[in-house]
Amino acid sequence: EPEVTQTPSHQVTQMGQEVILRCVPISNHLYFYWYRQILGQKVEFLVSFYNNEISEKSEIFDDQFSVERPDGSNFTLKIRSTKLEDSAMYFCATQPRDRPNYGYTFGSGTRLTVV
Amino acid sequence: QKEVEQNSGPLSVPEGAIASLNCTYSDRGSQSFFWYRQYSGKSPELIMSIYSNGDKEDGRFTAQLNKASQYVSLLIRDSQPSDSATYLCAVPQRTDKLIFGTGTRLQVFP
Repeated sequence: EPEVTQTPSHQVTQMGQEVILRCVPISNHLYFYWYRQILGQKVEFLVSFYNNEISEKSEIFDDQFSVERPDGSNFTLKIRSTKLEDSAMYFCATQPRDRPNYGYTFGSGTRLTVV
Repeated sequence: QKEVEQNSGPLSVPEGAIASLNCTYSDRGSQSFFWYRQYSGKSPELIMSIYSNGDKEDGRFTAQLNKASQYVSLLIRDSQPSDSATYLCAVPQRTDKLIFGTGTRLQVFP
């Protein structure tokens, strides 16, 4: 079964450093999302991306966050200057082009630890 | 902000029993509903989707939807210890971002 691949699986970074989380979507999927889950809390929407632009972003997705699809395959989330409160699991999710909602396929996640 | 509410549990059931998980949502216009299973430290895995009032069965899982009451549930028959996980109810907003509940932790004991 096709998978959404995320790398790295775990990233430890110092506060103030930049991190890039990577996702390889399923090949015929065109809608991409980032979610995060702080330990013990809800899965929260960050941003949706379609046709090489952001469709929607949440209040969490402030100026320190950015997304891009630099080479037509990878989908990346950049956090420019990490804070302690950015420590969370970050999940990439994708949907196929023929919506309506089938429900997303989530990647395995990146655990980000900011120290 | 649209809300999705779940009892956080834990819900403890013996092996072989029926586990019943409940979810309410605030957006009366919601049209589709999803149940995800999440093992500790892992990503959510889609196990059921339901779009119409009534029941939808898939193996040991049955999703039930009542739009008038804004209520969706998941029944797991013949519960197994491997079903022990957190079950997340998720409802898309019109923009198709998913709003998740806090999840219900299910424990199936032998």
